[in-house]
Amino acid sequence: AQSVTQPDIHITVSEGASLELRCNYSYGATPYLFWYVQSPGQGLQLLLKYFSGDTLVQGIKGFEAEFKRSQSSFNLRKPSVHWSDAAEYFCAVASGGGADGLTFGKGTHLIIQP
Amino acid sequence: NAGVTQTPKFRILKIGQSMTLQCTQDMNHNYMYWYRQDPGMGLKLIYYSVGAGITDKGEVPNGYNVSRSTTEDFPLRLELAAPSQTSVYFCASGVAGDTGELFFGEGSRLTVL
Repeated sequence: AQSVTQPDIHITVSEGASLELRCNYSYGATPYLFWYVQSPGQGLQLLLKYFSGDTLVQGIKGFEAEFKRSQSSFNLRKPSVHWSDAAEYFCAVASGGGADGLTFGKGTHLIIQP
Repeated sequence: NAGVTQTPKFRILKIGQSMTLQCTQDMNHNYMYWYRQDPGMGLKLIYYSVGAGITDKGEVPNGYNVSRSTTEDFPLRLELAAPSQTSVYFCASGVAGDTGELFFGEGSRLTVL
């Protein structure tokens, strides 16, 4: 069965600094990978997704992620964070076809320091 | 513009009471899901449905029931509420044959006292 590990429970970054959130997955075949963001009291919003092709994918709000098969990783990056980026970030994997949904990591809570 | 709509947004139950969380989507998605979110634990799948009349258990189905009589609606029933069911519940939907992308409701926060 697939699984997702987000090693960092909390990350604190100064406003304007760069950001990298780590995600490692376990899945036998080519995975479908996602990053979602959850603002306080809100549902989950899709930031970006990787299905195939170019391993560097661009998402909304200036985020990007890079798929590295050799490292089983799909890390999320942003060159300069804004205070509004403070939220919970979830990495997720799907086996394809959407039959049994997504498997989520436990999330990384991002704190932005002024 | 509605997407996935969940009601109620907040609810307090007493132990042993029952209730239904409602979920409806207007995107004509075949696949629908119920997740629960507990602090530090991510989201865990309770039940899912691949179409009207078809439902299946996820990772944590005990204490819950679902039905799917129409494409649009996927209610989650809690029977004999227990404190362990205190959580935030999310309904989601997706397109059949798609590569897993899901669209989420805003969540329902349930407290069992």
